[in-house]
Amino acid sequence: AQSVTQPDIHITVSEGASLELRCNYSYGATPYLFWYVQSPGQGLQLLLKYFSGDTLVQGIKGFEAEFKRSQSSFNLRKPSVHWSDAAEYFCAVGFYYGQNFVFGPGTRLSVLP
Amino acid sequence: DAGITQSPRYKITETGRQVTLMCHQTWSHSYMFWYRQDLGHGLRLIYYSAAADITDKGEVPDGYVVSRSKTENFPLTLESATRSQTSVYFCASSAGGPNEKLFFGSGTQLSVL
Repeated sequence: AQSVTQPDIHITVSEGASLELRCNYSYGATPYLFWYVQSPGQGLQLLLKYFSGDTLVQGIKGFEAEFKRSQSSFNLRKPSVHWSDAAEYFCAVGFYYGQNFVFGPGTRLSVLP
Repeated sequence: DAGITQSPRYKITETGRQVTLMCHQTWSHSYMFWYRQDLGHGLRLIYYSAAADITDKGEVPDGYVVSRSKTENFPLTLESATRSQTSVYFCASSAGGPNEKLFFGSGTQLSVL
């Protein structure tokens, strides 16, 4: 069965530091890949999406993600974190057929001043 | 204001009672989804709808009922609430299925006592 893992439950970084959130998936072919962010008390918002083409994808709020087929990974990065980036981040995977779409368990990001 | 709205924002009910969570979107998106969010599980799909009068089960449909008589509304009913249904419920919509951008409501926090 398809699955999505986010190995880090909680990450703390200092403001201005770089960030990388990990995401791995299990699937036989290249799926659609997404990162969503959830601010406290809010719904989720799409940061970026990958389907094909350039494996480095730019998103909103200065985020980017890189698809690595050999590692079945889609890690999210930001060169300099802002205090407002503190939130829960979800990796998600979609597939070509049917409506199967899976969210990872999420990584909570805390930002130190 | 245009968007996707959920009501109520908070709900407390008792075991065995029927509860209906409302979801309304103003974009005329074809697809609508109900997710529940529980710690450690990320978001899990309860039901989805590809169009008015077309609904289908997701990953965790037991104990829930949905209907979609109008494109803009997608209510979720817990026929006989149980404590295990205590959760945060999110409604989402998209123009073309889950592999398109999902737009989320702000969620309903439901407690079943």
